[in-house]
Amino acid sequence: KQEVTQIPAALSVPEGENLVLNCSFTDSAIYNLQWFRQDPGKGLTSLLLIQSSQREQTSGRLNASLDKSSGRSTLYIAASQPGDSATYLCAVGSSNTGKLIFGQGTTLQVKP
Amino acid sequence: DVKVTQSSRYLVKRTGEKVFLECVQDMDHENMFWYRQDPGLGLRLIYFSYDVKMKEKGDIPEGYSVSREKKERFSLILESASTNQTSMYLCASKQGYEQYFGPGTRLTVT
Repeated sequence: KQEVTQIPAALSVPEGENLVLNCSFTDSAIYNLQWFRQDPGKGLTSLLLIQSSQREQTSGRLNASLDKSSGRSTLYIAASQPGDSATYLCAVGSSNTGKLIFGQGTTLQVKP
Repeated sequence: DVKVTQSSRYLVKRTGEKVFLECVQDMDHENMFWYRQDPGLGLRLIYFSYDVKMKEKGDIPEGYSVSREKKERFSLILESASTNQTSMYLCASKQGYEQYFGPGTRLTVT
């Protein structure tokens, strides 16, 4: 059974710092991996989607990488801003049905 | 832009009531999903549907049912609400490989 783990559970950094969020999964036979952002009390916003055949995806200050063989993905945030404060969730898709297995999330606080 | 809407942001119901949570998407997506999110447990899949009138159980279907009579609408039904169903409920739809989420419904059962 696929399990997804995100470390650390919480992170606090000063504004301007570059940071890395980690996601690991137990079964390397994945279809894709998606990173989401969730603001308190709100729904999820999709940030980046990486297909199993891809190594990384970039959007603005965000870069997500995928290493299937080691069961790991990282989300790199460059030049962090207070507006980046949120919970970041990674989710693994194991088939083309779209079913996702979520990690518990990393709650990020960027201090001005 | 893809839009997924949920009928209520906040809902308070009494134990034993029948509860309907509605989700509508406007992009003709075939796949739709219902999750619940709880502190310490994360998001867990309740049910999903890959076509009209088609449904499949997710990881925690007990106490729930679903209805998909039209492609754009996916309803989650709590036949007899219980206090352990107090949670944040999130609906999603899938376009291609990417899932898009609604704003969520915070349900409290007293």
